[in-house]
Amino acid sequence: KQEVTQIPAALSVPEGENLVLNCSFTDSAIYNLQWFRQDPGKGLTSLLLIQSSQREQTSGRLNASLDKSSGRSTLYIAASQPGDSATYLCAGPSGAGSYQLTFGKGTKLSVIP
Amino acid sequence: EAQVTQNPRYLITVTGKKLTVTCSQNMNHEYMSWYRQDPGLGLRQIYYSMNVEVTDKGDVPEGYKVSRKEKRNFPLILESPSPNQTSLYFCASSLVFETANTEAFFGQGTRLTVV
Repeated sequence: KQEVTQIPAALSVPEGENLVLNCSFTDSAIYNLQWFRQDPGKGLTSLLLIQSSQREQTSGRLNASLDKSSGRSTLYIAASQPGDSATYLCAGPSGAGSYQLTFGKGTKLSVIP
Repeated sequence: EAQVTQNPRYLITVTGKKLTVTCSQNMNHEYMSWYRQDPGLGLRQIYYSMNVEVTDKGDVPEGYKVSRKEKRNFPLILESPSPNQTSLYFCASSLVFETANTEAFFGQGTRLTVV
């Protein structure tokens, strides 16, 4: 079964800095990976879906990459802003015969003004 | 606007009092699912549904029931809630499952406290 790991669990950066959030997974048969944002007391907002046939996906200041061979995905945030402060989660399909997403535990990002 | 709507957003109840958390999506999605989120444990799937009248257990189904009588609705039922069901609950939907370009959408969450 898929295992998804996000390190570090928390990250604090000054405003304006570029940063990378990491996500690793164990099942290289993954066919897509999704990045979410979760604000305190709120739901999960989908940021980017990256398919296994793609290497990168971009939305505004966000860029996600997927490398199946290494079992890694990264979320790059350019020119970070205090409004980017949230918990970021990655999730991928759990594996053959399992109809669910496996989530990492998330990286809590704080962008300091 | 495409969305998944859960109600209520917050609920405090007493042990043993049956409750239902509703979930509705307006995207004509076939696949719907319920997760619970707990500190240190992350998100875990409770039940899922591949289509109308097709439901199956996820990783933590004990103490929960679901039904899928209409495509848009997927209510979560707690017949006799217990304090260990205190959690943050999320409903999710996607067009189908096991398709590379299928994006999952989540509701705003229901914070349930059982005392």
